[in-house]
Amino acid sequence: DTAVSQTPKYLVTQMGNDKSIKCEQNLGHDTMYWYKQDSKKFLKIMFSYNNKELIINETVPNRFSPKSPDKAHLNLHINSLELGDSAVYFCASSQVTGKSFSGNTIYFGEGSWLTVV
Amino acid sequence: AQTVTQSQPEMSVQEAETVTLSCTYDTSESDYYLFWYKQPPSRQMILVIRQEAYKQQNATENRFSVNFQKAAKSFSLKISDSQLGDAAMYFCAYRSGGAQKLVFGQGTRLTINP
Repeated sequence: DTAVSQTPKYLVTQMGNDKSIKCEQNLGHDTMYWYKQDSKKFLKIMFSYNNKELIINETVPNRFSPKSPDKAHLNLHINSLELGDSAVYFCASSQVTGKSFSGNTIYFGEGSWLTVV
Repeated sequence: AQTVTQSQPEMSVQEAETVTLSCTYDTSESDYYLFWYKQPPSRQMILVIRQEAYKQQNATENRFSVNFQKAAKSFSLKISDSQLGDAAMYFCAYRSGGAQKLVFGQGTRLTINP
């Protein structure tokens, strides 16, 4: 079973469209994340949710809106897509509450490769 | 803000030999964690090894080991008996004890020569 799964894995869309990427984790973790990897392979956090509550919101355009219906799901909706949004988007999760080293490890999904044309 | 630097954009090694990837970080905190992630061409981010800052003993995972020099803020990854499947981008990452995000280095592309 895949621990952190994202759909779709590949997405090609036109500028101006709205798209969503879905993420689910079956690890029982209480915290989920979205990271963006740009064309130069640089990885940076976008959002983090802990028990459905937004706890990290880096300087991301308002066109990006995360939604967490429950602690096992974190979806990313992007409005009015731009060429610069082309990237690989990674969902990830970790267990924050409770003091264990394994809880400090963040586990990643396989990534969703978004291409805006 | 914490920063992570990987000064080697690319490295190559002969199969079965040993290679060391460098990573330095900048922080004023005492409670933190360090990680190495591997990203093969499939793009999946795979955890290779992790280290708690308060532990002096270097972490090891089979052929992978780290050289953690806390005073020097250095966290290098040693891969022994390199295999073709080790070819990938390797990212060093830092996580503060009080924060819930990873700060990544720029990555090192490792090539294994048969």
